[in-house]
Amino acid sequence: DIQMTQSPSSLSASIGDRVTITCQASQDINNSLNWYQQKPGKAPKLLIYDASNLETGVPSRFSGSGSGTDFTFTISSLQPEDIATYFCQQYDNFPRTFGPGTKVDIK
Amino acid sequence: QVQLVESGGGLVKPGGSLRLSCAASGFTFSDYDMTWIRQAPGKGLEWVSNIKSSGAYTKYADSVKGRFTISRDNAKNSLYLQMNSLRAEDTAVYYCARGYRYHRWWGQGTLVTVSP
Repeated sequence: DIQMTQSPSSLSASIGDRVTITCQASQDINNSLNWYQQKPGKAPKLLIYDASNLETGVPSRFSGSGSGTDFTFTISSLQPEDIATYFCQQYDNFPRTFGPGTKVDIK
Repeated sequence: QVQLVESGGGLVKPGGSLRLSCAASGFTFSDYDMTWIRQAPGKGLEWVSNIKSSGAYTKYADSVKGRFTISRDNAKNSLYLQMNSLRAEDTAVYYCARGYRYHRWWGQGTLVTVSP
């Protein structure tokens, strides 16, 4: 199985800060990576697919990059509504696997 | 608009069975692969199973293989997860999600609790 790691596991940042989360796959997954946002008690929401494609309707302050084994998710200017947990997920192979998540809150 | 509504969760004893359902609307169900994903309380997301649009092909996580069965009824716009030999570690919110590679649409989830 492909193992996905994320760092950091949690972070605190100020409104307007740039926030960066990294995700690493245990083997080459090309660009087969998604990023989801999950707020407490809610289903995850797709933000980025195919590593760098912004889902329709998602604010442009969210972005993704990377290929192979190393990926980055960025919030260019943190907003109060971005408080959530963020998960990466690979779909290059079965079983699909998720990263453990990064909890983002406001400093 | 696209809607996915799970049902069938509840409290069950270890070794018991449950059948989850996911009612789909707002799109041509038979055109899409479907997926079950679960989340244990306070934990991360775990992919459980996937079924192709025709129902001909299925995939399972090792943790549920041989105990869970995914199926669908395209005439009823419904997805199912038959869960047998349930264990405490199967306790989770179970989500159905549309798609094979990425999941643009999710249901609200249904809670399965396995406890004596």
